Amino acid sequence: DADVTQTPRNRITKTGKRIMLECSQTKGHDRMYWYRQDPGLGLRLIYYSFDVKDINKGEISDGYSVSRQAQAKFSLSLESAIPNQTALYFCATSESGAVGTDTQYFGPGTRLTVL
Amino acid sequence: SQKIEQNSEALNIQEGKTATLTCNYTNYSPAYLQWYRQDPGRGPVFLLLIRENEKEKRKERLKVTFDTTLKQSLFHITASQPADSATYLCALDTGDSSYKLIFGSGTRLLVRP
Repeated sequence: DADVTQTPRNRITKTGKRIMLECSQTKGHDRMYWYRQDPGLGLRLIYYSFDVKDINKGEISDGYSVSRQAQAKFSLSLESAIPNQTALYFCATSESGAVGTDTQYFGPGTRLTVL
Repeated sequence: SQKIEQNSEALNIQEGKTATLTCNYTNYSPAYLQWYRQDPGRGPVFLLLIRENEKEKRKERLKVTFDTTLKQSLFHITASQPADSATYLCALDTGDSSYKLIFGSGTRLLVRP
């Protein structure tokens, strides 16, 4: 079984709808991240969490919210989806360690289309 | 402003040749740099990490260099194979002890048989 799983894998929705993307991990890592990937822009950090009680905004958090339900679960919500949130979304985890040395383990991604 | 640049044009090479990909950065002082591989429709996969005090790191057919004066990392794949075809991303720690990584947009490598 995959160490980092994301559901759903694909989602098409309409403008204004509320959407939740879920991420689960079995690696036992404390740190979890949500990124979005757009063609030509690379991965951009939306939110990150270093433990259940520690949640931080990334560079593009506007329009998104997150919930860390447990060490293993980190959900991303779009409260009112808009077309420019159409993108590939990745969840990632990393193990606590020295700064910069903690490699990140990515889930398979969720392709979200907002019509 | 902080910026990471990777060649947006795809690199197209013949099987058996050495592929060299470049990652340049500005206005950062990273302590570490990482390289990831991403296949279409999949999440990135970690390949190598190099520290600021390391000039070179090797893993099988992969070699990474890190020049903090030039603010550049080079990623080499020797004896390239069609299976090496993918997008390669570089990532730097932000240098502010925040445990975040900043990713480049990646360079697509195509190895022709």
